[in-house]
Amino acid sequence: RKEVEQDPGPFNVPEGATVAFNCTYSNSASQSFFWYRQDCRKEPKLLMSVYSSGNEDGRFTAQLNRASQYISLLIRDSKLSDSATYLCVVNIRNAGNMLTFGGGTRLMVKP
Amino acid sequence: NAGVTQTPKFRVLKTGQSMTLLCAQDMNHEYMYWYRQDPGMGLRLIHYSVGEGTTAKGEVPDGYNVSRLKKQNFLLGLESAAPSQTSVYFCASVRDGINQPQHFGDGTRLSIL
Repeated sequence: RKEVEQDPGPFNVPEGATVAFNCTYSNSASQSFFWYRQDCRKEPKLLMSVYSSGNEDGRFTAQLNRASQYISLLIRDSKLSDSATYLCVVNIRNAGNMLTFGGGTRLMVKP
Repeated sequence: NAGVTQTPKFRVLKTGQSMTLLCAQDMNHEYMYWYRQDPGMGLRLIHYSVGEGTTAKGEVPDGYNVSRLKKQNFLLGLESAAPSQTSVYFCASVRDGINQPQHFGDGTRLSIL
């Protein structure tokens, strides 16, 4: 079983739609959580951190459920520019501050 | 402020050749990392460093060596390149602390023929 699992998609949605991605992690010692965005052939870029109480940044909402060990990302009012791969990332408390990446979920927003 | 810079951006090697990838950061970050990303897969950690003069193995270290002689630079070496090392390589850094996200360079695309 992978440490961080995501549905690879692709999720094909029309502009303006609301779309949600889930991610599950296996290590209960995981301490911090992030969503990164990666455009084709580009480097991953931080989209948002995920806090225990849930957090929102404009059209993006992230939720964390520690009991069930999953993280979610909700995108409202999808834009064409949201088309990308979304990476779920988990940090287990360790000396190297190492991150474990999910395989990513691909989103394609159509006109 | 350049952030994390990787050189070269692209390289084609023949099997058995050696090369070094350079990662430089100007943010005074303590921790630096080398990842590889293959089609359809997430990023996998090759080696990392928690400070100048230190290195440690990640998930997929075989066939690679690293050095962190200066705080701002983290070098990844391939002593004898193999086709299985064809990949996109990303370097990342973080100041310190567990709750901080990593900052990535824009990648090196390496092909081994």
